[in-house]
Amino acid sequence: QSALTQPASVSGSPGQSITISCTGTSSDVGNYNLVSWYQQHPGKVPKLQIFEVRKRPSGVSDRFSGSKSGNTASLTISGLQAEDEGDYYCSSYAGSSTWVFGGGTKVTVL
Amino acid sequence: QVQLVQSGAEVKKPGTSVKVSCKASGYTFNDYYIHWVRQAPGQGLEWVGRITPNSGGTSYALKFQGRVTMTRDTSINTAHMELSRLRLDDTAVYYCARGDYTGSPIPHHAFDIWGQGTMVNVSS
Repeated sequence: QSALTQPASVSGSPGQSITISCTGTSSDVGNYNLVSWYQQHPGKVPKLQIFEVRKRPSGVSDRFSGSKSGNTASLTISGLQAEDEGDYYCSSYAGSSTWVFGGGTKVTVL
Repeated sequence: QVQLVQSGAEVKKPGTSVKVSCKASGYTFNDYYIHWVRQAPGQGLEWVGRITPNSGGTSYALKFQGRVTMTRDTSINTAHMELSRLRLDDTAVYYCARGDYTGSPIPHHAFDIWGQGTMVNVSS
């Protein structure tokens, strides 16, 4: 049950698109289309942004999109806005009723 | 509205135990899994385990097996997480989070509602 691998930080200018990767193994990300993404602002509670690789909960902006290829999932934020700054975490089902998170990525809007 | 409200902050000595509570409201408690996730200061999220409120069945991350116990009291819609033999590196915010509808034929395996978090400070 090792943590999924995410880049420590990603940055972009307002209006640009950025992509955050999340690399796991064939036992978690690669084996299930059950990757979710969470946004966390400083001092706040995590918020679900994407589930099942690419689905958005009601109320989440369509600027957020998800994808997966092999053992790597990705979160893309289009039309970057100042409010998108924060930490982003991926999570994957890992089988046998266990889950694993990524180490988190700090997104900075320049 | 749907919410999870957790118990207050705790300060504990190494080697002791802590029990954190998570009270659900706004939905049928028995119908959704409850997960526990922790976050050490300045660190990432870490999945601790899950409880099925209806049956009391549990699943724990390998790292915590033998030290964590998750229980529930369905009469008051509350889930509990007890962590024993506390160490300094157990200092973290502990969150409860709602998982899938237990009767779903196609679970999402995501956590849609989170408690406000409970700070557990382990200090000698």
